[in-house]
Amino acid sequence: QLQLQESGPGLVKPSETLSLTCTVSGGSISSSSYYWGWIRQPPGKGLEWIGSIYYSGSTYYNPSLKSRVTISVDTSKNQFSLKLSSVTAADTAVYYCARLPITIRSNDYWGQGTLVTVSS
Amino acid sequence: DIQMTQSPSSVSASVGDRVTITCRASQGFSNWLAWYQHKPGKAPKLLIYAASSLQSGVPSRFSGSGSGTDFTLTISSLQPEDFATYYCQQANSFHSFTFGPGTKVDIK
Repeated sequence: QLQLQESGPGLVKPSETLSLTCTVSGGSISSSSYYWGWIRQPPGKGLEWIGSIYYSGSTYYNPSLKSRVTISVDTSKNQFSLKLSSVTAADTAVYYCARLPITIRSNDYWGQGTLVTVSS
Repeated sequence: DIQMTQSPSSVSASVGDRVTITCRASQGFSNWLAWYQHKPGKAPKLLIYAASSLQSGVPSRFSGSGSGTDFTLTISSLQPEDFATYYCQQANSFHSFTFGPGTKVDIK
């Protein structure tokens, strides 16, 4: 059974860089059939797509976050990562990682989510 | 970029009711439209992909339809476990996916 698990600091200071890692188990991140993505949900608000990455390293980012976001993949560790720079309180959210099969263009497996709070 | 709206923003319903949620896109696109169910403290769950295809393991009381700019999610007979927030998401291009603002289904 495929599992995704987010990890990283739960508290980040304003203006610093948020860094999260998603570890994939029960399947290979190197499969040509999937993209891997990040989605977030600020408290009391809806879901927001952050971006996606292919095992080859090709990336797509939300235009509203593009200047601050970097998603990378480490196939040797079966992980992919998110970096969001210059964070503010508005970046406080539950961050999810998820799998996106190319054939259905929808996120079918999700991590449990991790709350990241931006505060001094 | 394609923007998504949903209506209603919330709906109060009873067990056994038929519930319909609408998702509208700012421009027409192919049928790469998904529906998710989200409960507090849980990961979102994929219900429908490609506008009308039922994800494996999802009860048949959930159905999706629509094309172009207007899409609907229907729950034919609401069950206690269906009280949640529902989101549509367009995936017309891998360059930009967009979620709708969500529709909260709560107990009447």
